[in-house]
Amino acid sequence: SQQGEEDPQALSIQEGENATMNCSYKTSINNLQWYRQNSGRGLVHLILIRSNEREKHSGRLRVTLDTSKKSSSLLITASRAADTASYFCATASGSARQLTFGSGTQLTVLP
Amino acid sequence: NAGVTQTPKFQVLKTGQSMTLQCAQDMNHNSMYWYRQDPGMGLRLIYYSASEGTTDKGEVPNGYNVSRLNKREFSLRLESAAPSQTSVYFCASSEAASGRSGGYTFGSGTRLTVV
Repeated sequence: SQQGEEDPQALSIQEGENATMNCSYKTSINNLQWYRQNSGRGLVHLILIRSNEREKHSGRLRVTLDTSKKSSSLLITASRAADTASYFCATASGSARQLTFGSGTQLTVLP
Repeated sequence: NAGVTQTPKFQVLKTGQSMTLQCAQDMNHNSMYWYRQDPGMGLRLIYYSASEGTTDKGEVPNGYNVSRLNKREFSLRLESAAPSQTSVYFCASSEAASGRSGGYTFGSGTRLTVV
């Protein structure tokens, strides 16, 4: 079963605009991670946010975490065509020694 | 560094045939994982190995077996392939369990078709 669920399932924006993707999860977590997957490739780790953190930045990426709402958001600023990919959130819960992935958001950035 | 290497990249099997998917990492990671990815369902965990010498079932282990051959290698075996096992298979590794220090590193995947 999926722990994290991304919203929206698909998002299409113009180059230069910001893209926001959301992830909701069901149980308490230790950390939440975001990954990117380009078509036909493996997933690439983007950023990790721990349960005691509320916001984290990495380049054009900004991740927020609201543990009271069991939700996270990934913001990509000033998007580029090269950002076109699927984005997945993944959660690590309790004593679990593995990640559970959501079903992903397909982002298309139009030039 | 090669990171995580999976072989083969593509495979077509007939129903009932067996095969082993190979995975090797060169980052001295302790934990390794096998996921399958199906359209619209994200990634689902098949088996994982939190450390050398241990293996545990994930969400969808039926029809699969694994071997943690050494710290570098983690193989996935299909003993009698079924059409329902048609999928893209990803191997991943991490320094610490659940990727809590730096996340997972993924291989490029094996696209398996069972006819």
